[in-house]
Amino acid sequence: LAKTTQPISMDSYEGQEVNITCSHNNIATNDYITWYQQFPSQGPRFIIQGYKTKVTNEVASLFIPADRKSSTLSLPRVSLSDTAVYYCLVGDSNSGYALNFGKGTSLLVTP
Amino acid sequence: DTGVSQNPRHKITKRGQNVTFRCDPISEHNRLYWYRQTLGQGPEFLTYFQNEAQLEKSRLLSDRFSAERPKGSFSTLEIQRTEQGDSAMYLCAETGGSTDTQYFGPGTRLTVL
Repeated sequence: LAKTTQPISMDSYEGQEVNITCSHNNIATNDYITWYQQFPSQGPRFIIQGYKTKVTNEVASLFIPADRKSSTLSLPRVSLSDTAVYYCLVGDSNSGYALNFGKGTSLLVTP
Repeated sequence: DTGVSQNPRHKITKRGQNVTFRCDPISEHNRLYWYRQTLGQGPEFLTYFQNEAQLEKSRLLSDRFSAERPKGSFSTLEIQRTEQGDSAMYLCAETGGSTDTQYFGPGTRLTVL
């Protein structure tokens, strides 16, 4: 499983855009990049997944450069309820892979 | 809300006792995963099933741990002779629909006294 590196923590004010970057230098050809959000005492919640370029859904955008060695999760106009831990994961979704979560990025949004 | 349910949500037990957790996925035939999460850490993979077949087990799954998925539907995770180090959140996930994205249940928080 490709190892990922992301900041331990980030702070933001309400209404700002937050970008969390994840490094995955050893990403393999078949690997997808997936981001999860987790609130205290809850299971992780799927946010977005991508393979290359840009993916956007109603919650976030995921930017992946051509070399795929990093990715950036972009959260537009965060609110207090976006305070959570965000995990970047890399793996081959076609092999029934076990997710390797790491420690994630703890995002704190304040008024 | 993925609809994956886990019971109980909380369990307090004394060291040496056996405990069993249950996971009810939405679909009977998708893959089902178990993870363990300790405070301040991300979830760690324990094992997964494709239907009723247990296809992979982590080295974290010691001899005291056993998981089953009879008939490829719900799954149980049993811990025998619990130790204080077993205190953690135990999470169940299933793959959803036509994709391999894993969707998690709310977890069972185990406290071993």
